[in-house]
Amino acid sequence: ETGVTQTPRHLVMGMTNKKSLKCEQHLGHNAMYWYKQSAKKPLELMFVYSLEERVENNSVPSRFSPECPNSSHLFLHLHTLQPEDSALYLCASSQQGALNTEAFFGQGTRLTVV
Amino acid sequence: QQQVKQSPQSLIVQKGGIPIINCAYENTAFDYFPWYQQFPGKGPALLIAIRPDVSEKKEGRFTISFNKSAKQFSLHIMDSQPGDSATYFCAARSGTSGSRLTFGEGTQLTVNP
Repeated sequence: ETGVTQTPRHLVMGMTNKKSLKCEQHLGHNAMYWYKQSAKKPLELMFVYSLEERVENNSVPSRFSPECPNSSHLFLHLHTLQPEDSALYLCASSQQGALNTEAFFGQGTRLTVV
Repeated sequence: QQQVKQSPQSLIVQKGGIPIINCAYENTAFDYFPWYQQFPGKGPALLIAIRPDVSEKKEGRFTISFNKSAKQFSLHIMDSQPGDSATYFCAARSGTSGSRLTFGEGTQLTVNP
């Protein structure tokens, strides 16, 4: 519906697990983003990819590892997470250039680390 | 750290009331100010946006008021409805940051029938 699809919608993982979040955009955009949304806090920008190159990494712990194999897909690989990493992880896309478009968000993956 | 301060954290109004959500920013390089609406279980969706060359923008029942000198902007919802109950985020970006947004903390709005 929004043009940005995230899977899975919900994920429960143990601290020793390895999992990946997937994002796919069908809007023809050239930039993709990962945000973390925790309760009562502003959305935190984690990573930015522009033309499949990582252009921003906002001091995110190495237990979060992004991957952007092409302009339509974005992954967030997770390993040895902590309970405080439990949050809603949102993917977004936009068109960057002479006319920047709005950021369109996916529905998010609700992550619980146990 | 570039920040956008948003208040109140939560707001309850009766149907037909006019909730007002306020945001303030520091970075004078910000040149675009969108508001996003987020329903439970959904991602944020763009609601309305304004540039600093105008002081007000209306789209349906939603109005943004912008005060450039005070570095403040606000969202007004006219004739609010229970279906407007959601979390609202203000945001800002600068021309040099592409589409990267700096978000406020969010306001949880409840409109009672």
